[in-house]
Amino acid sequence: EAGVVQSPRYKIIEKKQPVAFWCNPISGHNTLYWYLQNLGQGPELLIRYENEEAVDDSQLPKDRFSAERLKGVDSTLKIQPAELGDSAVYLCASSQTSGGRTDTQYFGPGTRLTVL
Amino acid sequence: AQKVTQAQTEISVVEKEDVTLDCVYETRDTTYYLFWYKQPPSGELVFLIRRNSFDEQNEISGRYSWNFQKSTSSFNFTITASQVVDSAVYFCALSEVNRDDKIIFGKGTRLHILP
Repeated sequence: EAGVVQSPRYKIIEKKQPVAFWCNPISGHNTLYWYLQNLGQGPELLIRYENEEAVDDSQLPKDRFSAERLKGVDSTLKIQPAELGDSAVYLCASSQTSGGRTDTQYFGPGTRLTVL
Repeated sequence: AQKVTQAQTEISVVEKEDVTLDCVYETRDTTYYLFWYKQPPSGELVFLIRRNSFDEQNEISGRYSWNFQKSTSSFNFTITASQVVDSAVYFCALSEVNRDDKIIFGKGTRLHILP
């Protein structure tokens, strides 16, 4: 069974440019997460989707970050415009939620963003 | 408040030695889950174990073992007979049922296994 797929793996951009990350979750998982991981830190949740609905986006900096999961499968996370401080690893994870309970989250390989 | 503390920032041991990674957590909930994830240099977080708060039995999986003690709010991870491939960053994490199972990660412990 394929795991969580993310692309690109690496991205280098200049500040003020836009950037987008793509995630394909494990087949059958209805819940999808985007996390931000700064160097030397643990991942921090940016947004959580259950199917198409963003059920927790309280940590997403909405002035420059946006995300979508239009058909309840793939998801895209966008930053526009990027700032130097956005350099980090962006991780996607997926899990199965049913009856209000969430199963274990499985993570993708991440996208390492460098903003110059 | 929800919190996970991994006091060991970095550990180095020689191959074949045993090593224990410490994890202390804080929660006000009675129902919660504890996790360990491994992050090798490739960057992917690999799930190792999930333990619920009602199950204090220790777990062993090959060279890996976990010791859960509610009395000290600890969930420590031991690697027996370490190997170079065990070199990675290991994260302990906590989720609470009353917080929609949102996972809070510790800062991680970087483990170096020296040949």
